[in-house]
Amino acid sequence: EDKVVQSPLSLVVHEGDTVTLNCSYEVTNFRSLLWYKQEKKAPTFLFMLTSSGIEKKSGRLSSILDKKELFSILNITATQTGDSAVYLCAVEDAGGTSYGKLTFGQGTILTVHP
Amino acid sequence: KAGVTQTPRYLIKTRGQQVTLSCSPISGHRSVSWYQQTPGQGLQFLFEYFSETQRNKGNFPGRFSGRQFSNSRSEMNVSTLELGDSALYLCASSLEQASTDTQYFGPGTRLTVL
Repeated sequence: EDKVVQSPLSLVVHEGDTVTLNCSYEVTNFRSLLWYKQEKKAPTFLFMLTSSGIEKKSGRLSSILDKKELFSILNITATQTGDSAVYLCAVEDAGGTSYGKLTFGQGTILTVHP
Repeated sequence: KAGVTQTPRYLIKTRGQQVTLSCSPISGHRSVSWYQQTPGQGLQFLFEYFSETQRNKGNFPGRFSGRQFSNSRSEMNVSTLELGDSALYLCASSLEQASTDTQYFGPGTRLTVL
């Protein structure tokens, strides 16, 4: 069974700090790893990673994948209170077909204090 | 363009009853995925529909079923409700495929089983 483990489960920081969120996974037929930000109800898409070592960046957020060690990290620099959210990691198992099934981690609850 | 809509937003049912949730994807999106989110289990994949066919299924009992109509709208049905089915049910739509295309989530339906 596919498994995604995120750490830490919760994190409290002050504005301006840099945070690193971790996601490790076990998947039979890896296809991609995705990061989402969930603030109130619906998660919003952040990144999709398919290749090792290639950093994806969007403003103060960046993410990288290590397919050999089976993990990914999400970095947020110069955190702001608006970054407070649950960050979800998901992996896609291709399962031998063209279309994959997503398995989500528990999420990391990030709280940024002013 | 209107976002993903889900109805109803809140539901209260009793054990043994059945429930049907509805999801209307973004216009032009053909893939609809359903997720269950609970504090204990996090976000779990239920199933994905594409062109009226179930393309992927998560590890949920047969009490959970769904379907997709020709206009891509989707319904999810849960029969013989149990207390543990209390959760936020999220629907997400994407153009063709849940993983390679960005998923857009709806606001969710909060189901409470008493």
